[in-house]
Amino acid sequence: RKEVEQDPGPFNVPEGATVAFNCTYSNSASQSFFWYRQDCRKEPKLLMSVYSSGNEDGRFTAQLNRASQYISLLIRDSKLSDSATYLCVVKDTGRRALTFGSGTRLQVQP
Amino acid sequence: DGGITQSPKYLFRKEGQNVTLSCEQNLNHDAMYWYRQDPGQGLRLIYYSQIVNDFQKGDIAEGYSVSREKKESFPLTVTSAQKNPTAFYLCASQDRGTMNTEAFFGQGTRLTVV
Repeated sequence: RKEVEQDPGPFNVPEGATVAFNCTYSNSASQSFFWYRQDCRKEPKLLMSVYSSGNEDGRFTAQLNRASQYISLLIRDSKLSDSATYLCVVKDTGRRALTFGSGTRLQVQP
Repeated sequence: DGGITQSPKYLFRKEGQNVTLSCEQNLNHDAMYWYRQDPGQGLRLIYYSQIVNDFQKGDIAEGYSVSREKKESFPLTVTSAQKNPTAFYLCASQDRGTMNTEAFFGQGTRLTVV
């Protein structure tokens, strides 16, 4: 079983739609959680950290459920510029290295 | 400007050759990482270092070697023992102080075996 699992997609949605991604992680020692965005043939960039209480940044909302070991990302009012691959990332207290999911591809269509 | 720089951007290697990928950061970060990404895949950890003169194997270390002689530099050598080296290699650095700090990535090196 992979440490971090994501639905690869692609998710094809129209502009203005709301879309949600889920991610599950297997290591209960994971302590830090992130969503990164990666554009085609580019390096990943931090979209947002995920906190236990949930957090929001504009059109983006992230949630963490420690009991079920999953993380979610909600994007409201999708824009064409949101088209990218979204990577779920966790960090555990032991190894202290980032473990990446394989990513979920989003394509927002006009 | 602070940042993390990888070079070269593109690299071609003949079978049987060793090649070294450069990664330099001026962010004063203690932690540095090397990842490999294959098409349509996520990032897989090759090696990581939390402090100068110390590093650990990641999930796919076979056929690779690293050194961490200086805080700002973490070069990766792809040896001839790596059977399928063609991939996109990404270096990252992170402040070791707190768990939730952002990891910054270089722009990557695309390695192709010819």
